[in-house]
Amino acid sequence: NFMLTQPHSVSESPGKTVTISCTGSSGSIASNYVQWYQQRPGSAPTTVIYEDNQRPSGVPDRFSGSIDSSSNSASLTISGLKTEDEADYYCQSYDSSNRHAVFGGGTQLTVL
Amino acid sequence: QVQLVQSGAEVKKPGSSVKVSCKASGGTFSSYTISWVRQAPGQGLEWMGRIIPILGIANYAQKFQGRVTITADKSTSTAYMELSSLRSEDTAVYYCARVGEHLDFDYWGQGTLVTVSS
Repeated sequence: NFMLTQPHSVSESPGKTVTISCTGSSGSIASNYVQWYQQRPGSAPTTVIYEDNQRPSGVPDRFSGSIDSSSNSASLTISGLKTEDEADYYCQSYDSSNRHAVFGGGTQLTVL
Repeated sequence: QVQLVQSGAEVKKPGSSVKVSCKASGGTFSSYTISWVRQAPGQGLEWMGRIIPILGIANYAQKFQGRVTITADKSTSTAYMELSSLRSEDTAVYYCARVGEHLDFDYWGQGTLVTVSS
């Protein structure tokens, strides 16, 4: 089964830039779009990136997404970190064999 | 504005079943896929399955195959997720989520806490 692997946690200071990786287990991660979700405690997730690198309206341009086929991974980069960015972030894509959705394990971002 | 409103929290005994509802408003219910995603306490998101209401076709994650049933009632714009043979490990918040035109989960319900305890 297709899996996505994320680091458990990352931390960085306000104003800095952080990158969260999401590595596919098999096949090419570029075969299906990758989405990124932000989840704050007690709330449902919200989309911050869809289709690898597109931002929904209302999401600041400090958030960006990319794909690196050479490492079979996707990345979420947040620049100019703010304390309000502190949350859990999940990547999500689809298994090419059955089109079932797959989530990464999530990354806890601490801004301190 | 699209809204997904889920039924309230449930407490269930091991071995029993639970059925959670997800009522949609503000959009064309039948045209979009509705997925169910769960999140155990302190854990990540786990996709359980989906339904395309206009077709009435449901697909399930292998892990839940045989234990989960997802249905939809087009007349009331409501999707349902029933999970049977409950065990303590099924204690989680269960979310319904709409798959948008960009294939992301663009709208989510508020979540339903299901607690399995003897």
